[in-house]
Amino acid sequence: DIQMTQSPSSLSASVGDRVTITCRASQNIYNYVSWYQCRPGKAPKILIYAASSLQSGVPSRFSGSGYGTDFTLTISSLQPEDFATYFCQQSYSPYTFGQGTNLDIK
Amino acid sequence: QITLKESGPTLVKPTQTLTLTCTSPGFGASGSAEGVGWIRQPPGKALEWLALIYGDGGEHYSPSLKTRLFITKDSSTDQVVLTMTNMDPMDTGTYFCAHFKSYYYDSRGFSVDALIMWGQGTMVTVSS
Repeated sequence: DIQMTQSPSSLSASVGDRVTITCRASQNIYNYVSWYQCRPGKAPKILIYAASSLQSGVPSRFSGSGYGTDFTLTISSLQPEDFATYFCQQSYSPYTFGQGTNLDIK
Repeated sequence: QITLKESGPTLVKPTQTLTLTCTSPGFGASGSAEGVGWIRQPPGKALEWLALIYGDGGEHYSPSLKTRLFITKDSSTDQVVLTMTNMDPMDTGTYFCAHFKSYYYDSRGFSVDALIMWGQGTMVTVSS
């Protein structure tokens, strides 16, 4: 299976901060990466697909980049509702997720 | 807008078979560009993809669990059912169903897809 190594595992930040989360794939997966936001008791939400495409309805402060093995999710200016856990996922073969990044308030 | 809701037992005993149902009113996918997937999350751990069924009935399973999984759908009731045999305490966790969508096929012939809508999940505990 393709491994997705996500970092950091946890991150503390303040409202208005810019934060970056990274995922590294164990092999070339081109741009077959999605990013999801998970909040306790709520349905996970897709943010980014195809590494850099913003899902419809997702605020533009979220962005994704990367190709091959290295990928990033950036939140340009944190809002209170952004404190959550974030996962990357590769859909090249078969589907696997990163370990998650828990983003909390500093 | 598509909504999904998982249902099933909250407690199963080791070696028993788990049956989970995902209900998605209004989801009438009939082709291979859409489908429903199951994903689980053990407490404090990462998400793990389990299985996927496409609108045309095609199935796709996690290689590590495929001998224990079976997924099927009933379009007349908008339900997708996942069965997992020989349950173990390590299978404890929250089980999610999600709507799978293929946005397009790229120049390599691969599907660019994602899990675009999720249910809230159902917690399953495996214990005697």
